[in-house]
Amino acid sequence: DTGVSQDPRHKITKRGQNVTFRCDPISEHNRLYWYRQTLGQGPEFLTYFQNEAQLEKSRLLSDRFSAERPKGSFSTLEIQRTEQGDSAMYLCASSLDDSEAFFGQGTRLTVV
Amino acid sequence: GQNIDQPTEMTATEGAIVQINCTYQTSGFNGLFWYQQHAGEAPTFLSYNVLDGLEEKGRFSSFLSRSKGYSYLLLKELQMKDSASYLCAVYGQNFVFGPGTRLSVLP
Repeated sequence: DTGVSQDPRHKITKRGQNVTFRCDPISEHNRLYWYRQTLGQGPEFLTYFQNEAQLEKSRLLSDRFSAERPKGSFSTLEIQRTEQGDSAMYLCASSLDDSEAFFGQGTRLTVV
Repeated sequence: GQNIDQPTEMTATEGAIVQINCTYQTSGFNGLFWYQQHAGEAPTFLSYNVLDGLEEKGRFSSFLSRSKGYSYLLLKELQMKDSASYLCAVYGQNFVFGPGTRLSVLP
C-alpha cells in the first residue's frame, strides 16, 4: 500500500463550474477525513466518514459541498458552482479508528 | 465544539531547544496529536498523547496535561530542516487541527 492518494493534484476551474476530487485511503483504514487548507492556516475540518457513513459535516460547509464514500473505500468531494473563495488545498486523510491520521498530498484548487 | 490555540510564529537557533505550546478545549477527548508540515507538502505525523505525561521520540517529545487542556512539543538539537509549521490536533468529536505554529530555525 502506497498510502493515501488524491486525484487530481491540481485543478484550475472557472467560477461557477462544478469540480470533483477523489481520495483513496490506506486500504485497512475505516475513517476518512476531508480538510481544506489556505496559506498560513491549519487544516480546516470539512467532514469525516466511518466506513460508508458520513458522521459529521462542518457547519462552515455550505450546501455547495458534498462528499460520498459509497462502498467505504474511496471518497469523492464535489463542489458545485465554485467561487473564488473556494481556492485552497483540499486534503484527505485516513485512520484506523482513533489512531494517527495519514494525509494524502492534497488537491490544489484554483478558481479563476 | 472544539477550540485549539497555538502561537503563530516562533524563531530559534540551530542546535537549540524549542517548546511549542498548544491549549485546547474539547467536548470528549480521545488523544492529542502533533504533525509537521513543510511548505507545500502534506502534514506528517510526529507524536501522539492520550494519557498525561511525556512521550519521547528521538529529538521530539510531546507532553500532555488533560486537566489543564495543555500540550507542548519539544524539539531538541534543532536543525535547519526543522523549519516548518507544527500542527496540534485533538481527537474529540472528530479530528480537529489548530492554526499551526510556523517555526523558523536560523543558523
